[in-house]
Amino acid sequence: DAMVIQNPRYQVTQFGKPVTLSCSQTLNHNVMYWYQQKSSQAPKLLFHYYDKDFNNEADTPDNFQSRRPNTSFCFLDIRSPGLGDAAMYLCATSRGGGYGYTFGSGTRLTVV
Amino acid sequence: AQRVTQPEKLLSVFKGAPVELKCNYSYSGSPELFWYVQYSRQRLQLLLRHISRESIKGFTADLNKGETSFHLKKPFAQEEDSAMYYCALSRVRETSGSRLTFGEGTQLTVNP
Repeated sequence: DAMVIQNPRYQVTQFGKPVTLSCSQTLNHNVMYWYQQKSSQAPKLLFHYYDKDFNNEADTPDNFQSRRPNTSFCFLDIRSPGLGDAAMYLCATSRGGGYGYTFGSGTRLTVV
Repeated sequence: AQRVTQPEKLLSVFKGAPVELKCNYSYSGSPELFWYVQYSRQRLQLLLRHISRESIKGFTADLNKGETSFHLKKPFAQEEDSAMYYCALSRVRETSGSRLTFGEGTQLTVNP
């Protein structure tokens, strides 16, 4: 089945140690998104790629970066994770425009 | 700025009872509204879009621009409807990829 795959499902990292989360899609969608979801809160958009164009949200900390080397893959890099960055990270894709999103299962990040 | 409000964090009904999950939004332009659902231990998935005017799993939602609402309704709730429901708003047809803003979600429990 065409889908959005996030690896790993669970990630534990040390305070301050760089970590990368990955997302791949087989839908050939133009747009890929990264959302952060903390406990009992709404998913919050960090940034997205429309094809190769990177679109950062104004309030996304500089600590968060992203790469999209090709249509299928997108990475979320956290340069120096803090305890406050512990959350579920959701990747989503879309055809763009007014179409709905397809979400991955998420990666739960723990910072110790 | 766009904003989505789901006033009820928790909603509990009995099987066979009608259910309504409330959603209000604020947005100066012409929005597109969505409902997403997350069943236990599953990924977030699209339930329905207002532009489709469809009924999915017995759920319907009507966009009321006068009241800026997009409430989700089902006449007879089933136990399998128990899940977290998110209302989401997107700006229409952005060429850089739509941005979904989520409400904080309503946890629906349908009791036997």
